[in-house]
Amino acid sequence: DGGITQSPKYLFRKEGQNVTLSCEQNLNHDAMYWYRQDPGQGLRLIYYSQIVNDFQKGDIAEGYSVSREKKESFPLTVTSAQKNPTAFYLCASNPGQRISGQFFGPGTRLTVL
Amino acid sequence: AQSVTQPDIHITVSEGASLELRCNYSYGATPYLFWYVQSPGQGLQLLLKYFSGDTLVQGIKGFEAEFKRSQSSFNLRKPSVHWSDAAEYFCAVVILHGSSNTGKLIFGQGTTLQVKP
Repeated sequence: DGGITQSPKYLFRKEGQNVTLSCEQNLNHDAMYWYRQDPGQGLRLIYYSQIVNDFQKGDIAEGYSVSREKKESFPLTVTSAQKNPTAFYLCASNPGQRISGQFFGPGTRLTVL
Repeated sequence: AQSVTQPDIHITVSEGASLELRCNYSYGATPYLFWYVQSPGQGLQLLLKYFSGDTLVQGIKGFEAEFKRSQSSFNLRKPSVHWSDAAEYFCAVVILHGSSNTGKLIFGQGTTLQVKP
């Protein structure tokens, strides 16, 4: 079945450590996105990538970094510079050839201890 | 600035009752609008979308939404709610990247639906 996978489901990290969240899709989608979700705030865009080897900052990119070396993969690194990293992180993708809704992965809950 | 507002943070309805979740948007051009549903600890599932044409759109799970340009609204409705509909619902508008077909989603804050037996 085609879809988006995110791993791990739950992640714990100590303050001061970098951590990388995985996002893989087998939908052959061009565009991929990372959103952060906090209670009562909806979802906010961190980074997005429209094609391989290209990505753009979203609304809350500070303290995060990404790479897009393969079409299928769009990992997100939460660095120690991110002041409040505890949140639910959602990866999404979009075909790119036409306007359509985004498909979302199951999410990763990151907790900083 | 583009924005989406969901005025109701929490709604409780009885099973079998009708449902309407409100969504208002602020966007200068023709909006591309979406409703998503999220179960606790899960990702988002697309319920329905409006791009153009018929202002009443049908979605999955018996949901429908009506686009009203004059009111800048895109309210979600369901005639008879089931207990399994309890979840969080998000309205969103897509802001396209230049002339491309992709863009970022601007989400409302979400409405949590509780269903009473």
